[in-house]
Amino acid sequence: SQTIHQWPATLVQPVGSPLSLECTVEGTSNPNLYWYRQAAGRGLQLLFYSVGIGQISSEVPQNLSASRPQDRQFILSSKKLLLSDSGFYLCAWRLGLAGSQETQYFGPGTRLLVL
Amino acid sequence: ILNVEQSPQSLHVQEGDSTNFTCSFPSSNFYALHWYRWETAKSPEALFVMTLNGDEKKKGRISATLNTKEGYSYLYIKGSQPEDSATYLCAFSFQGGKLIFGQGTELSVKP
Repeated sequence: SQTIHQWPATLVQPVGSPLSLECTVEGTSNPNLYWYRQAAGRGLQLLFYSVGIGQISSEVPQNLSASRPQDRQFILSSKKLLLSDSGFYLCAWRLGLAGSQETQYFGPGTRLLVL
Repeated sequence: ILNVEQSPQSLHVQEGDSTNFTCSFPSSNFYALHWYRWETAKSPEALFVMTLNGDEKKKGRISATLNTKEGYSYLYIKGSQPEDSATYLCAFSFQGGKLIFGQGTELSVKP
């Protein structure tokens, strides 16, 4: 069966510090991978998605970047965190099929607080 | 800009009550509508994926309907239990399988 891991679970970082959040998926090959964020009082917002190694699409302009160095690894980064980067970050995967009806499965999330 | 609206934002019911919430989404370029249940400190859990106008899906006491022509979906919970307390999210699926989420309906069921 497939599982998705995220770490760390919780992170408190000062403004201006770098960030690296990691997501890995097991039990499947060539998944589509997604990063979402829920900021305080707001809904889940898609930040990045990837359909393959090295292929990243950004959905909103922001202070963050994403990379996919391996098939089942998705990394969210920042060189300098802003206060507005605080939130709950979720990684998700789905089968890499052409249809849009496939379910996305979410990881346990990382709560980031930037002070 | 594609927008998904959910109502109400929050709902407080007594154990045994039946309840329902609404998700409104763009009726053009429709691919699929997803419902998720998100409990505190857990990952969002997929409930349903609905694709066809008139679809009805059921999972235990939870069911959902879909109207793609007018752009809405209803989620029903029959005989709510305290363990149903969670935030219920709907998401509109479009190009490339990307999801646009509504803000969710937070359900609280009191014993």
